[in-house]
Amino acid sequence: DIVMTQAPLSVSVTPGESASISCRSSKSLLHSNGITYVYWYLQKPGKSPQLLIYRMSNLASGVPDRFSGSGSETDFTLKISRVEAEDVGIYYCGQLLENPWTFGGGTKLELK
Amino acid sequence: QVQLTESGPGLVHPSETLSLTCTVSGFSLTGYSVYWVRQPSGKGLEWMGRMRYNGDTSYNSALKSRLSISRDTSKNQVFLKMNSLQTDDTGTYYCTGGSHYWGQGVMVTVSS
Repeated sequence: DIVMTQAPLSVSVTPGESASISCRSSKSLLHSNGITYVYWYLQKPGKSPQLLIYRMSNLASGVPDRFSGSGSETDFTLKISRVEAEDVGIYYCGQLLENPWTFGGGTKLELK
Repeated sequence: QVQLTESGPGLVHPSETLSLTCTVSGFSLTGYSVYWVRQPSGKGLEWMGRMRYNGDTSYNSALKSRLSISRDTSKNQVFLKMNSLQTDDTGTYYCTGGSHYWGQGVMVTVSS
């Protein structure tokens, strides 16, 4: 199975400032079709995960453009610009290149 | 509008079988795959298995011996059955319509 490793475990951010979360995969997530199958989710307390970024850099519908995804074949970054109170929760990266899907351990974002 | 709704018992006794139903709307089970993902209490996300649009199934090898996924396309429902439940199977169980759409989840407690 592909192992997804996230860092940091938690991040504390002042509202209005930026935050970055890193994710590394144990195998290239670049498919032969040119698509990189890494996804980013935010899970707010008591809720199901909501998709933020799909295929490494595509913003999901309804997600503010303060969120952006980037990376290479095995190293990925989620950046949140101008953090707001509604961004609090646990962020997960996940690979959907092959079954089983696997996810990072999560990064908890809190406000200072 | 795509919706997925999980249902099932909130409490299961150790060694018994868990039966969950995912009822979908807004898409056809013969056109899209449905996945099951679970989240042990306070922990991360674990992919359990998939019901493909053509009826094929795929399972996480760690659960394969205990898990079965089936469907009733006439009722727009996908079923999950997992036997020999233990306390570490306690958590929230989600069905998803691919990467974008997740149900609200159903909490399952395994306890005597």
